[in-house]
Amino acid sequence: EVRLLESGGGLVQPGGSLRLSCAVSGFTFRDFAMTWVRQAPGKGLEWVSSITDSGHSTYYADSVRGRFAISRDNSNNTLYLQMIGLRPEDTALYYCTKDQGHMDFWGQGTTVTVSS
Amino acid sequence: QSALTQPASVSGSPGQSITISCTGTSNDVGTYNLVSWYQHHPGTAPKLIIYGVSKRPSGVSNRFSGSKSGNTASLTISGLQADDEADYYCCSYGGTSAFNVFGTGTTVTIL
Repeated sequence: EVRLLESGGGLVQPGGSLRLSCAVSGFTFRDFAMTWVRQAPGKGLEWVSSITDSGHSTYYADSVRGRFAISRDNSNNTLYLQMIGLRPEDTALYYCTKDQGHMDFWGQGTTVTVSS
Repeated sequence: QSALTQPASVSGSPGQSITISCTGTSNDVGTYNLVSWYQHHPGTAPKLIIYGVSKRPSGVSNRFSGSKSGNTASLTISGLQADDEADYYCCSYGGTSAFNVFGTGTTVTIL
């Protein structure tokens, strides 16, 4: 059974930092690209960032480029999202997804709240 | 990286069919056959229901079908059921600059 379990969310002040993690099981993690998607309160889904299977290539939405960094540890089946310079508009539920041109498995999400 | 355009809401009676449009540009939907659709019941994780424009994952009802013409993709739900009431999002690959682009989302209401 495929499982994706996000963690690391919480309440942070504007300008602060957080690192999200996504522990994966049930498939060969190193063979697939991975993607973070977020949903702000009352808003739609927004693609945040993707990383190739090897981790050599990364991609970012304009809204987070330069502030967020996606990475992965294929030895420990874990995906990360390092977030710095957080803004109130980054407040959202962050989902980790398995990506093979389409996002076929999703975690339950971890909530990030940016507020003073 | 502009969002793909979907109608905000669509409604239908049980047993009827509805179609949700997803309009992009020649930089995404119009060029790549990498359009996917997701069903999202609030409080749960989104679920993939269509990928590659018209393919259904294993276990997804054949009441869901997808198509594309030019810069517009469409999702059709036939034989509407109560459980189909949810939010629906399209998504397209947009090349290495935009990578993934989601639609604005459509709320489906069963009358």
